[in-house]
Amino acid sequence: NAGVTQTPKFRVLKTGQSMTLLCAQDMNHEYMYWYRQDPGMGLRLIHYSVGEGTTAKGEVPDGYNVSRLKKQNFLLGLESAAPSQTSVYFCASSYSKVGGDSPLHFGNGTRLTVT
Amino acid sequence: DAKTTQPNSMESNEEEPVHLPCNHSTISGTDYIHWYRQLPSQGPEYVIHGLTSNVNNRMASLAIAEDRKSSTLILHRATLRDAAVYYCILRRLVRTSYDKVIFGPGTSLSVIP
Repeated sequence: NAGVTQTPKFRVLKTGQSMTLLCAQDMNHEYMYWYRQDPGMGLRLIHYSVGEGTTAKGEVPDGYNVSRLKKQNFLLGLESAAPSQTSVYFCASSYSKVGGDSPLHFGNGTRLTVT
Repeated sequence: DAKTTQPNSMESNEEEPVHLPCNHSTISGTDYIHWYRQLPSQGPEYVIHGLTSNVNNRMASLAIAEDRKSSTLILHRATLRDAAVYYCILRRLVRTSYDKVIFGPGTSLSVIP
């Protein structure tokens, strides 16, 4: 049971390049989330999904797109990377049948540097 | 969105109890109180959660005020491995299409040997 797996673990991009971060969970969770974390700060919600085929904006959605074509995968895309998107990105998932009475499970993060 | 406030930092001596406070004065009746912690260079990990009653598990205890406007995470004997950032967040009770889970900056706990 792998839990929440994020790929890649590290990536360096040049300004203007694009990339996709993959989050995969094997717990049959319906809710999935993408957060970013900058040095000395807490987690900020980028986008989230409450089920296959649905996505919604979080606190800081600009410059990012997401897709949830399969229940187990949540993709975060950067179409044209900017230095301000240098950050550590965390994915999380949660069982939804009982709403807030279930914990969030986090991946180990993707460290992205945009030069 | 319901918000929580926590002290920026706290210190504790090793092997002593630690009480980490969280204020959530705008909590609604359908919000669960969750606690997570983040060790350096790792993703956050779940610690404990509750709705109205105090909760205990192998990691910690959660004490919830009667009016639910505040809560306290209790680590019974702090160890050096408990040095981390601790986050208190609110999650909706009912299954809903609106589950915008917002984290604040958390409390950075230092444990002194």
